Amino acid sequence: DAKTTQPNSMESNEEEPVHLPCNHSTISGTDYIHWYRQLPSQGPEYVIHGLTSNVNNRMASLAIAEDRKSSTLILHRATLRDAAVYYCILSTAGYALNFGKGTSLLVTP
Amino acid sequence: GAVVSQHPSWVICKSGTSVKIECRSLDFQATTMFWYRQFPKQSLMLMATSNEGSKATYEQGVEKDKFLINHASLTLSTLTVTSAHPEDSSFYICSAPGTGHYGYTFGSGTRLTVV
Repeated sequence: DAKTTQPNSMESNEEEPVHLPCNHSTISGTDYIHWYRQLPSQGPEYVIHGLTSNVNNRMASLAIAEDRKSSTLILHRATLRDAAVYYCILSTAGYALNFGKGTSLLVTP
Repeated sequence: GAVVSQHPSWVICKSGTSVKIECRSLDFQATTMFWYRQFPKQSLMLMATSNEGSKATYEQGVEKDKFLINHASLTLSTLTVTSAHPEDSSFYICSAPGTGHYGYTFGSGTRLTVV
């Protein structure tokens, strides 16, 4: 599986935008870029995923570099409920997601 | 979106006993279910992949005789931890491949404590 690299932790102020980076230089043409987040003692929650084009949904935006070797998850206005571990994962459709260490996001009032 | 219901949320059992964890897909048919384990302060680790009507595929280092997986229907997959020991205490999570635009769906997890 192609691997991803994320910062261990990031901090943001409430109601400010947050940009969570992810590097995936060995991504293959069939790999989708997935983002999930996990709150303590809960199962992961789907955030967003994409293949080549930027994606937007009600939770976040995903900006994918033109060469697909990196991507950025954008939370437009961070809230305290957004504090979680965010995982950037590459996967081919139907195969298990392999989780790395993710980025622990701290949101301060 | 697709929902996976996982039960129980938490369970405490005595060493040597068995515990069954259930994951049900509520509004879709899951031909495949993934089972993960997560120790404190660590990431999720894939244990096995269950496929409806066939034997599960286990990751290297996971004892198939200890962690019994059954996927007898398109809406139910179960993980049974047999002869549980304190080192099996962990957070167990199931997941099904996504449908449509919603990515993969995860259960809420089961906190197993073996005493």
